[in-house]
Amino acid sequence: QKEVEQDPGPLSVPEGAIVSLNCTYSNSAFQYFMWYRQYSRKGPELLMYTYSSGNKEDGRFTAQVDKSSKYISLFIRDSQPSDSATYLCAMSVIGGNQFYFGTGTSLTVIP
Amino acid sequence: EPEVTQTPSHQVTQMGQEVILRCVPISNHLYFYWYRQILGQKVEFLVSFYNNEISEKSEIFDDQFSVERPDGSNFTLKIRSTKLEDSAMYFCASIRTGGLTEAFFGQGTRLTVV
Repeated sequence: QKEVEQDPGPLSVPEGAIVSLNCTYSNSAFQYFMWYRQYSRKGPELLMYTYSSGNKEDGRFTAQVDKSSKYISLFIRDSQPSDSATYLCAMSVIGGNQFYFGTGTSLTVIP
Repeated sequence: EPEVTQTPSHQVTQMGQEVILRCVPISNHLYFYWYRQILGQKVEFLVSFYNNEISEKSEIFDDQFSVERPDGSNFTLKIRSTKLEDSAMYFCASIRTGGLTEAFFGQGTRLTVV
């Protein structure tokens, strides 16, 4: 099932860098877009969600959705070592009953 | 902060044995889910549960799997006869309303079938 594609990385950046994480999707019925953070051997933790094209900002995190291109991004500003984790994108359709996850991108922020 | 809790954190079982994975969803949540993540692969949907019945299930969720909410607080996933390929992290999730935007996941149970 290749409905959601995400570059698995790994991605390694120095502390303070801007990080860009991306997912593409093929199902135009997806209307809800989420980003989860997953630390090693832990469950996914919701970071942000959005349902419209454009940008949504929350502190150092910005979620961007481009429905015309079927492309979503998560930007992390001023990255910190504590941001080191796997970042999962997830999507769902309106009225749907499940998320479709990307494979996750492993991020390491080096102090 | 309320959280979804799962037990055990790690379960080792022999092939062919039955296992029950347990979850305590957040108390005022109404929708419950099981997902699994095989090492190195995507998080995959198994089943959703609402109003004491399965609302949707994936192809993975065959007759070997069942779910139950036996007492109004626990939510369990049973695998009747485990196979090697059932080895994975199993995540429980719960949502307060019907929207899928704020699902809370548990920390997972790592199932190892030997």
